[in-house]
Amino acid sequence: KAGVTQTPRYLIKTRGQQVTLSCSPISGHRSVSWYQQTPGQGLQFLFEYFSETQRNKGNFPGRFSGRQFSNSRSEMNVSTLELGDSALYLCASSLRWGIEQYFGPGTRLTVT
Amino acid sequence: DQQVKQNSPSLSVQEGRISILNCDYTNSMFDYFLWYKKYPAEGPTFLISISSIKDKNEDGRFTVFLNKSAKHLSLHIVPSQPGDSAVYFCAASGSGTGNQFYFGTGTSLTVIP
Repeated sequence: KAGVTQTPRYLIKTRGQQVTLSCSPISGHRSVSWYQQTPGQGLQFLFEYFSETQRNKGNFPGRFSGRQFSNSRSEMNVSTLELGDSALYLCASSLRWGIEQYFGPGTRLTVT
Repeated sequence: DQQVKQNSPSLSVQEGRISILNCDYTNSMFDYFLWYKKYPAEGPTFLISISSIKDKNEDGRFTVFLNKSAKHLSLHIVPSQPGDSAVYFCAASGSGTGNQFYFGTGTSLTVIP
């Protein structure tokens, strides 16, 4: 079975711009979650989608949004980028919420 | 507020010896705990889990121990191998916290040949 894939792997953007990251979950997995990883902060939960609906949300500002398509693929959007948004963004999929998740390799976003 | 803490950023162990990675949590509503391993340029990989009804779970060389009264869990790797060198994250969740996973900041394990 193919694993979780994320595109692009690396991205450099300028403050004020917006960015869209993409995630394709493992086939059959309908729950897709997004995390932000920064040095010293571990993985911080952004949100979770299941059947095209956002069901769970972490403590991030509204500049961070996402969506899920009917084939379970998900996108995450960050608007009005700030320097502090520089991080590794990880997507994870699972059969359902609350059980072990399978992570993609991440997208490394650098905001200059 | 970090609800899951890994207080040792790094650990070095000789090949063949035991590696012990520790994790503390503050929220008593957590009832499900996991360990992930992460190699550079890869996403975290699920390693082993334990629910709060158990105090030990074993899978090959990996054993996780849970001490609920101390709000502490540990991962034991015996024997340690150079391929175990990676960053290890513990994570916790609970039905009382919406089943969201809270991750620690990770411990970088180096196994010296």
